[in-house]
Amino acid sequence: SQTIHQWPATLVQPVGSPLSLECTVEGTSNPNLYWYRQAAGRGLQLLFYSVGIGQISSEVPQNLSASRPQDRQFILSSKKLLLSDSGFYLCAWSVLPTGPLAKNIQYFGAGTRLSVL
Amino acid sequence: AQKITQTQPGMFVQEKEAVTLDCTYDTSDQSYGLFWYKQPSSGEMIFLIYQGSYDEQNATEGRYSLNFQKARKSANLVISASQLGDSAMYFCAMRPYSSASKIIFGSGTRLSIRP
Repeated sequence: SQTIHQWPATLVQPVGSPLSLECTVEGTSNPNLYWYRQAAGRGLQLLFYSVGIGQISSEVPQNLSASRPQDRQFILSSKKLLLSDSGFYLCAWSVLPTGPLAKNIQYFGAGTRLSVL
Repeated sequence: AQKITQTQPGMFVQEKEAVTLDCTYDTSDQSYGLFWYKQPSSGEMIFLIYQGSYDEQNATEGRYSLNFQKARKSANLVISASQLGDSAMYFCAMRPYSSASKIIFGSGTRLSIRP
């Protein structure tokens, strides 16, 4: 069965420090991978998605970047954190959609709660 | 515009009662998928149920069913015999075919079950 791992679970970082959040998927090949951010009490905002190694699409301009160095590894990074980067970050995976009737259900990791102080 | 609307920010329900969480969507795509996710206080998003736009029957998964009314662009989640563990945030989401892999989420409904 497929599993998704995300770490760390909680992170407290000072403003201006770098960030690296990692997400890995097991039990599947060539998944689509996603990074979301959730502000307190809000819905999910898609930050990045990737359909393959080295292929990253950015949804919103921001202080963050993403990389996919391996098929099942997705990394969210920042060179200098801002206060506004605080939030709950969720990684997700799905199989490649095969057509208009494909379900493309996204399965989520446990999330990382980031506090920038 | 592609959009999901959840008009109930919060709901309180007595244990063992059924509850309906509202969701309406807007898309010009003929093909799309609709999802419901549950987010307990731990934060993890848990997939509950899926409905395809061409599915003729409403989807069901255990105590969850999706009341799909295509003409009204409505995809309400029905939870039968609610339990204390059902207390969580619930998100409705949509994948229009034209958006490839991307899913659009609603703002969520916080469901609280009273003992």
